Amino acid sequence: NAGVTQTPKFQVLKTGQSMTLQCAQDMNHNSMYWYRQDPGMGLRLIYYSASEGTTDKGEVPNGYNVSRLNKREFSLRLESAAPSQTSVYFCASSEALIGRFHEQYFGPGTRLTVT
Amino acid sequence: AQTVTQSQPEMSVQEAETVTLSCTYDTSESNYYLFWYKQPPSRQMILVIRQEAYKQQNATENRFSVNFQKAAKSFSLKISDSQLGDTAMYFCAFMKQSSTLTFGKGTMLLVSP
Repeated sequence: NAGVTQTPKFQVLKTGQSMTLQCAQDMNHNSMYWYRQDPGMGLRLIYYSASEGTTDKGEVPNGYNVSRLNKREFSLRLESAAPSQTSVYFCASSEALIGRFHEQYFGPGTRLTVT
Repeated sequence: AQTVTQSQPEMSVQEAETVTLSCTYDTSESNYYLFWYKQPPSRQMILVIRQEAYKQQNATENRFSVNFQKAAKSFSLKISDSQLGDTAMYFCAFMKQSSTLTFGKGTMLLVSP
């Protein structure tokens, strides 16, 4: 059981380049999330998708776009990368967002460096 | 908006000893959930323990237990019989019902032999 997978694991971009981070889950979860982790800042929510076909902004959405491609996949796109987007990116999923608590399961993360 | 504060950026403990990590939060909600996540050097986020605010009994998972003080909005994590494998970053997190997680900035715990 793979759980939550992310590709790539590492990436180096030049300022202004674009790229898409891929995330997939095989747990039949309805909700998916993208976080970024910066030193001394904890994890901050970028975007989330409560269910297939919906996306919502989190705490730090500027400079990012997302696509919930289907129930399994949730991608994060940087259209024009900036050095401030250097970070570790985590994807997570949970059975649902609405209702009682559902544990979030995290992927292994992508370390992105923008030079 | 909810805030989660971890006032200890770093802590250290010797193997077999007990250590307590602090967390406070701010919310006007009455029903919510609190969590401690562990992030070892592998970077994987691992759920250690969770507490539902309406439950008065403190949660316990093996060597990990919490001290939940709802009125004080405090949620500390106690690790007993510390092991080298407990070395990690620990994040406190808050979730109100039907909402998303809010994380604290983390506490780096180093367990030494």
